[in-house]
Amino acid sequence: NAGVTQTPKFQVLKTGQSMTLQCAQDMNHEYMSWYRQDPGMGLRLIHYSVGAGITDQGEVPNGYNVSRSTTEDFPLRLLSAAPSQTSVYFCASTQQGGGYGYTFGSGTRLTVV
Amino acid sequence: SQQGEEDPQALSIQEGENATMNCSYKTSINNLQWYRQNSGRGLVHLILIRSNEREKHSGRLRVTLDTSKKSSSLLITASRAADTASYFCATEGDSGYSTLTFGKGTMLLVSP
Repeated sequence: NAGVTQTPKFQVLKTGQSMTLQCAQDMNHEYMSWYRQDPGMGLRLIHYSVGAGITDQGEVPNGYNVSRSTTEDFPLRLLSAAPSQTSVYFCASTQQGGGYGYTFGSGTRLTVV
Repeated sequence: SQQGEEDPQALSIQEGENATMNCSYKTSINNLQWYRQNSGRGLVHLILIRSNEREKHSGRLRVTLDTSKKSSSLLITASRAADTASYFCATEGDSGYSTLTFGKGTMLLVSP
């Protein structure tokens, strides 16, 4: 089925470890973004991309890195995990130009101990 | 920072009743969108209303937008137990790049 696929669904990391959250979409969407969801905080934008080779920071980018080498993939890297990065992470995509609804992945629940 | 605030934070109703959720935002927008999130799941897009529109319908959903007051409301008519979820409003700015800014959400509980 078409959509946004995130892996893994669950992950436990130790403080200081690094990892990559994967996100792939098969809808040929130009715009992709990463959000984190914390209790009582809604969703906050981490990084976003408006096309292959173009990325920019969102509201809470510190501690995260992204790249966009293809239209389909937009991985999120945690450089040195901290307990404050315990959260649920969502990847989303939408068509170029804005004004369209976003398609979200099912999320990655990350715990940093 | 969060763009919007939903009101109420939580809403509990009986099946068959209508549910109304409100959203306020701070900056100028291109459009406002509503999403539903079932517990432990991803967000699902429900409806989008553009800044030059005042009202929009989709099935049992009715959305209004008042740009002068920077507010929107989502009405779900004849609620069902399956409507139990969290509902988020999100705004897309008019800066040219497409990102969403979310409110904190309203938790809706519909009891049979």
